[in-house]
Amino acid sequence: KQEVTQIPAALSVPEGENLVLNCSFTDSAIYNLQWFRQDPGKGLTSLLLIQSSQREQTSGRLNASLDKSSGRSTLYIAASQPGDSATYLCAVSLSGTYKYIFGTGTRLKVLA
Amino acid sequence: DAGVIQSPRHEVTEMGQEVTLRCKPISGHNSLFWYRQTMMRGLELLIYFNNNVPIDDSGMPEDRFSAKMPNASFSTLKIQPSEPRDSAVYFCASSWTDQETQYFGPGTRLLVL
Repeated sequence: KQEVTQIPAALSVPEGENLVLNCSFTDSAIYNLQWFRQDPGKGLTSLLLIQSSQREQTSGRLNASLDKSSGRSTLYIAASQPGDSATYLCAVSLSGTYKYIFGTGTRLKVLA
Repeated sequence: DAGVIQSPRHEVTEMGQEVTLRCKPISGHNSLFWYRQTMMRGLELLIYFNNNVPIDDSGMPEDRFSAKMPNASFSTLKIQPSEPRDSAVYFCASSWTDQETQYFGPGTRLLVL
């Protein structure tokens, strides 16, 4: 059974810091991995999608990497801003299925 | 496009009442997902539709839960009768295919007293 774990559960950093959020999964037979952002009281917004054949994806100040063999993904946020404050979730889909298994998220607070 | 639309945004009801949640997916998307989010269990997939057909409802917790998708632009999730443990945020999401980026609606926050 696929399990997705995110560490840390919460993180507070001063503005301008570069930071790394971690996601680990137990079954390496994934089709793709997505990182989402969730603001309080809102739905999820997809940030980056990495196909299993890819090693990383970049969008602006965000960079996500994927290491299938070790069952890990990281989300790197450069020069963090207060507007980055949100909960970040990673989700993996298993090969041949449509199901995404979500981690419990990392709650990020960037202090001005 | 307005994105995925869900209604109502908030629902407060009493135990035993019927609750109907509604979702309008993004036009052209052929995959629709209903999720439930709670503090204890995180985000869980309840049911998945492809081209309006329910493909997998194994995540539906009990017979009290039912979902329909009568056409490509509308889906409902019904709870009858509702119980306090059904209190959660229910999200609808849609995508072009079942393996692509999912676009989430704002959710319906349900409180069953």
